[in-house]
Amino acid sequence: AQKITQTQPGMFVQEKEAVTLDCTYDTSDPSYGLFWYKQPSSGEMIFLIYQGSYDQQNATEGRYSLNFQKARKSANLVISASQLGDSAMYFCAMRSMEYGNKLVFGAGTILRVKS
Amino acid sequence: NAGVTQTPKFRILKIGQSMTLQCTQDMNHNYMYWYRQDPGMGLKLIYYSVGAGITDKGEVPNGYNVSRSTTEDFPLRLELAAPSQTSVYFCASIKAGANTGELFFGEGSRLTVL
Repeated sequence: AQKITQTQPGMFVQEKEAVTLDCTYDTSDPSYGLFWYKQPSSGEMIFLIYQGSYDQQNATEGRYSLNFQKARKSANLVISASQLGDSAMYFCAMRSMEYGNKLVFGAGTILRVKS
Repeated sequence: NAGVTQTPKFRILKIGQSMTLQCTQDMNHNYMYWYRQDPGMGLKLIYYSVGAGITDKGEVPNGYNVSRSTTEDFPLRLELAAPSQTSVYFCASIKAGANTGELFFGEGSRLTVL
């Protein structure tokens, strides 16, 4: 079955430091997409970054970058220079043609930024 | 553009009642998804659709039904509501093709079954 795993239920990081949120996935399809979303306490889903399996370079969006290691099937999110406003739940998700374009989410990681 | 619009935003149901959560997108996206999110948990896929007239089950389809008669609309029907269906429901859509970007979400519908 299509699987997305986030092994860190919760993380703490000091303000202005970098933090890595882990995500591993399982698919045998060479064509797939990986997403990261942020969900603050207000509940909306905020798109952060996308990585396609054929993309040659790791995706970056401002302070967010995706450490894509295809052979290891990992797609970790790196947040640089953490800010208090980064405190939220973070979800990794995958869509794969192998699974009929289902788009499934990991269990999430709660990030708390300390001042 | 309005993006993905969900209605209602809040609803309280009694056990055994039925209702439909509406979802409309104006981006001409082929793929649409319904998720539920229980408190403190991740998003679970209920049903999804890859185009008008085509729907398929996700991870937790029991107790729900969907239809997709147009590209724009993807309503989720709850029959015989149960307390276990108390959750926040999100509708989302994305352009066709595996290697395309953002999944657009609605604001969510908070459903309570008493």
